[in-house]
Amino acid sequence: GENVEQHPSTLSVQEGDSAVIKCTYSDSASNYFPWYKQELGKRPQLIIDIRSNVGEKKDQRIAVTLNKTAKHFSLHITETQPEDSAVYFCAASDSGNTPLVFGKGTRLSVIA
Amino acid sequence: EPEVTQTPSHQVTQMGQEVILRCVPISNHLYFYWYRQILGQKVEFLVSFYNNEISEKSEIFDDQFSVERPDGSNFTLKIRSTKLEDSAMYFCASSERRGGTQYFGPGTRLLVL
Repeated sequence: GENVEQHPSTLSVQEGDSAVIKCTYSDSASNYFPWYKQELGKRPQLIIDIRSNVGEKKDQRIAVTLNKTAKHFSLHITETQPEDSAVYFCAASDSGNTPLVFGKGTRLSVIA
Repeated sequence: EPEVTQTPSHQVTQMGQEVILRCVPISNHLYFYWYRQILGQKVEFLVSFYNNEISEKSEIFDDQFSVERPDGSNFTLKIRSTKLEDSAMYFCASSERRGGTQYFGPGTRLLVL
């Protein structure tokens, strides 16, 4: 089955700097890669997702890149703000043919 | 914006007791899911449900677990005889279509004593 590895487990950045979180997956059939943000005690919220027919997707300060050959995808947050502080989870699936498999999460702290 | 809702927000139970966790998916969604998250760990898939039957389940979803859509709106997860290791946050999610974006509910924090 699918295995998703996520790095780093914790990340501290100064406000205004960029943050990058990386994930690798094992199943070459996976073609859907969402990123969820989870604030303490709250539900995971989708912030961006990418499907395998594109290599990059951007939404304001957030971007995701996908390298299908290398089986890795990354989340990029630019101009970080304190409210970006949360745990970020990557996930992968075969568009519903397989369940979402999550990474272990990255705790991002943005220091003002 | 419609959201997935879950009740109760917190549940404390004694080991061996049955619990039922309730979810109301987004109204036009057809695919429903349960996940659990043990404190400080990643989100783990339990089961998916479509057209009144289980589509897929994980190894975690053993005979102690069951799911049901008793009416047109609720989607429930039952744990028949809870164990200490069932203590976790349980999230319900729904999606409009197969492989579509999954929207998560706020979770039920279950504590088994």
